Amino acid sequence: KAGVTQTPRYLIKTRGQQVTLSCSPISGHRSVSWYQQTPGQGLQFLFEYFSETQRNKGNFPGRFSGRQFSNSRSEMNVSTLELGDSALYLCASSLAGNQPQHFGDGTRLSIL
Amino acid sequence: GENVEQHPSTLSVQEGDSAVIKCTYSDSASNYFPWYKQELGKRPQLIIDIRSNVGEKKDQRIAVTLNKTAKHFSLHITETQPEDSAVYFCAATSNTGNQFYFGTGTSLTVIP
Repeated sequence: KAGVTQTPRYLIKTRGQQVTLSCSPISGHRSVSWYQQTPGQGLQFLFEYFSETQRNKGNFPGRFSGRQFSNSRSEMNVSTLELGDSALYLCASSLAGNQPQHFGDGTRLSIL
Repeated sequence: GENVEQHPSTLSVQEGDSAVIKCTYSDSASNYFPWYKQELGKRPQLIIDIRSNVGEKKDQRIAVTLNKTAKHFSLHITETQPEDSAVYFCAATSNTGNQFYFGTGTSLTVIP
């Protein structure tokens, strides 16, 4: 069974631009969560989707948004990029709530 | 919402010794507690998990204990090996099970 796939692996953008990250969950997994990981900050929760519905959202500004498609693939969008958005963005999928989450390799976003 | 605290932030042990990492949580409704290992430059990997109806779970050299009354859970690694060196994250789920709250991580170094 294929694992969680995130694309692209690396991105370099400049301030003010926008970016879209993609996540393909494990087949059969309907829950997709997104996290921001920075040194010393651990894993900060962005949002969680299940069957195309956002069920939970973390404490991030409205510049961070996401969506989930009918095949459970998910995208995350960040608009008006800031230097502080430089981070590793991880996606994790699970069958449902209270089930193990499996992570992708992440997208490393660098803002110049 | 849930708040998960993890200690220590760094831990160094001699090869063959035991390592213990502790986490506390705030929401008594949390009922699923996974532990993840993240090696440098790699994705977090689930290594063990425990549910609130169980007090202890073991898998070879790794064990997790849960004290629901005190709202804390711990990861125990025995007979540590250099390949155990990594950052370890604990997590607890929200009362709905849809959101994972992560600790800030423990950087474990096993000295040969």
